[in-house]
Amino acid sequence: ILNVEQSPQSLHVQEGDSTNFTCSFPSSNFYALHWYRWETAKSPEALFVMTLNGDEKKKGRISATLNTKEGYSYLYIKGSQPEDSATYLCAFNNAGGTSYGKLTFGQGTILTVHP
Amino acid sequence: GAGVSQSPSNKVTEKGKDVELRCDPISGHTALYWYRQSLGQGLEFLIYFQGNSAPDKSGLPSDRFSAERTGGSVSTLTIQRTQQEDSAVYLCASSFRAGVVTDTQYFGPGTRLTVL
Repeated sequence: ILNVEQSPQSLHVQEGDSTNFTCSFPSSNFYALHWYRWETAKSPEALFVMTLNGDEKKKGRISATLNTKEGYSYLYIKGSQPEDSATYLCAFNNAGGTSYGKLTFGQGTILTVHP
Repeated sequence: GAGVSQSPSNKVTEKGKDVELRCDPISGHTALYWYRQSLGQGLEFLIYFQGNSAPDKSGLPSDRFSAERTGGSVSTLTIQRTQQEDSAVYLCASSFRAGVVTDTQYFGPGTRLTVL
């Protein structure tokens, strides 16, 4: 059983604050780490796919880093806005048999940005 | 272009009834995935298709669950003799290819199933 853990479970910040949260995953047989943003009543939206140790990705005010050797990824949001309020999910692809398509998700971090 | 669509958006059923959930993937996407999120749980993998074949159905919780995909496009997830523990949001996703782990999976809006 693969465990993907995210922390914190929830986070409340003020508009303008910068914030970050963590995704931990098994470091063996690593293939890819995905980040998604899931707003209430909408579809999960892909943010990043990361594969290489030391990868850094950026999309606007959101960025992510990846450490495959120690099994963690950080997601950063700079200058949070109320529209950033959502659940942020990470998901792990590991190598193995016919399971290349399977994503194992963490429980998510619920971010609330207060005006 | 159009994204992944799912129907119905909400389904309320009585325990013991069968339900069918439908997913229309993005046109041209060969891989299709089903996940579900039960209350208080993370997204849980159920099954994925490459074309019409299902290389990995390891996440289907019981033999009451089945899925098929026809014409390399639409997929149907069927739950027979529904139980209250089947209540969840069922999400479908598609990607251009399966077996390419960097391909993004694009999700539909989900079907919220409530079993009374």
